[in-house]
Amino acid sequence: QKEVEQDPGPLSVPEGAIVSLNCTYSNSAFQYFMWYRQYSRKGPELLMYTYSSGNKEDGRFTAQVDKSSKYISLFIRDSQPSDSATYLCVPAGGGNKLTFGTGTQLKVEL
Amino acid sequence: EAQVTQNPRYLITVTGKKLTVTCSQNMNHEYMSWYRQDPGLGLRQIYYSMNVEVTDKGDVPEGYKVSRKEKRNFPLILESPSPNQTSLYFCASSSSSSSGGNYEQYFGPGTRLTVT
Repeated sequence: QKEVEQDPGPLSVPEGAIVSLNCTYSNSAFQYFMWYRQYSRKGPELLMYTYSSGNKEDGRFTAQVDKSSKYISLFIRDSQPSDSATYLCVPAGGGNKLTFGTGTQLKVEL
Repeated sequence: EAQVTQNPRYLITVTGKKLTVTCSQNMNHEYMSWYRQDPGLGLRQIYYSMNVEVTDKGDVPEGYKVSRKEKRNFPLILESPSPNQTSLYFCASSSSSSSGGNYEQYFGPGTRLTVT
């Protein structure tokens, strides 16, 4: 079993849709939860970071963590073509080690 | 501009020919790391460095070497490349943090390596 599981997609949605990206993990020691965004031919960049369970909102993006079920979600409201990218779920237990999911490819179409 | 640079961006080489991929950051970060990214496998850590002269193996270190003689530079060395090292390589850096770990890593633009 992989430590972090994501549906690879591609997920294709129309502009303006609400997008839900999901991730599951197996390691109970994870307590920091990040979403990185990777555009085509670019390196990943940090999009959002949350600590422990709960929700965090940043503009059109909301990250949700449920540690009891080991389930992480990223919601994108009013999706834009510029949101087309691969979204990487990245839980961590503190320190330096990041465990990257394989990513979900999102395409937002006009 | 704060950035991580990698060179070369693209490289095609032959089996057994030693090569070095350079990585440099201008953010005075203590922590640096190398990853490879392969379809279906995601980003996997090759080596990392906590500071100058301090390096350690990641998840897939076989066939790679690193050195950290200066804080800003962290080259990746393939002494005898093989076709299974064909991949997309990323260098990353972050500051050391007493809380929260190094969750915000800054990535370079990537180096696409093909070994024939």
